[in-house]
Amino acid sequence: DGGITQSPKYLFRKEGQNVTLSCEQNLNHDAMYWYRQDPGQGLRLIYYSQIVNDFQKGDIAEGYSVSREKKESFPLTVTSAQKNPTAFYLCASSIVLPAHPGELFFGEGSRLTVL
Amino acid sequence: GENVEQHPSTLSVQEGDSAVIKCTYSDSASNYFPWYKQELGKRPQLIIDIRSNVGEKKDQRIAVTLNKTAKHFSLHITETQPEDSAVYFCAASNGDYKLSFGAGTTVTVRA
Repeated sequence: DGGITQSPKYLFRKEGQNVTLSCEQNLNHDAMYWYRQDPGQGLRLIYYSQIVNDFQKGDIAEGYSVSREKKESFPLTVTSAQKNPTAFYLCASSIVLPAHPGELFFGEGSRLTVL
Repeated sequence: GENVEQHPSTLSVQEGDSAVIKCTYSDSASNYFPWYKQELGKRPQLIIDIRSNVGEKKDQRIAVTLNKTAKHFSLHITETQPEDSAVYFCAASNGDYKLSFGAGTTVTVRA
């Protein structure tokens, strides 16, 4: 069953703790993305990667870190430096077309709550 | 960076009527404008997209128009049906594969 899988679906964290969200895809897509979704603010880009071992900051990268050691995996770490980490996080992947990203395929999301 | 603004934030229409959502973008280099639909509790999915060398694109009941001079693009849904109720997001990409989204429009189709 091809697709993009995020885990965990729900996660609770105490203040001051780092947490890592997993994102795995078996679509053979080169590009992967992390978005944060908050009510009334749409989807805000945290990090994106077009190729293995390379990634770029999005609009709200502060307090987050990523790695892209394998084509199929793009984990996101929410660090204690992120001031307001409680949110819904969406991972996506796409092919890379010559002039723009292809269709984004999203995971089901991970809801992080900081207690 | 790219800034995408989307209006209205909520839209209620009678079944069978049309719905229009408008977006503006800031980066004149943007060349790709997709629209995503997110039904309640589900992941966003692409419904239509348009590239900067095209002014209008249609797919059954949905259409997108692009005005590059004014830097705005719109989604038109005709003959709305209950299954059109969802949150719709516009987005823009300036060619560096960074896709910036608008804040979303919650569309409710009244029976």
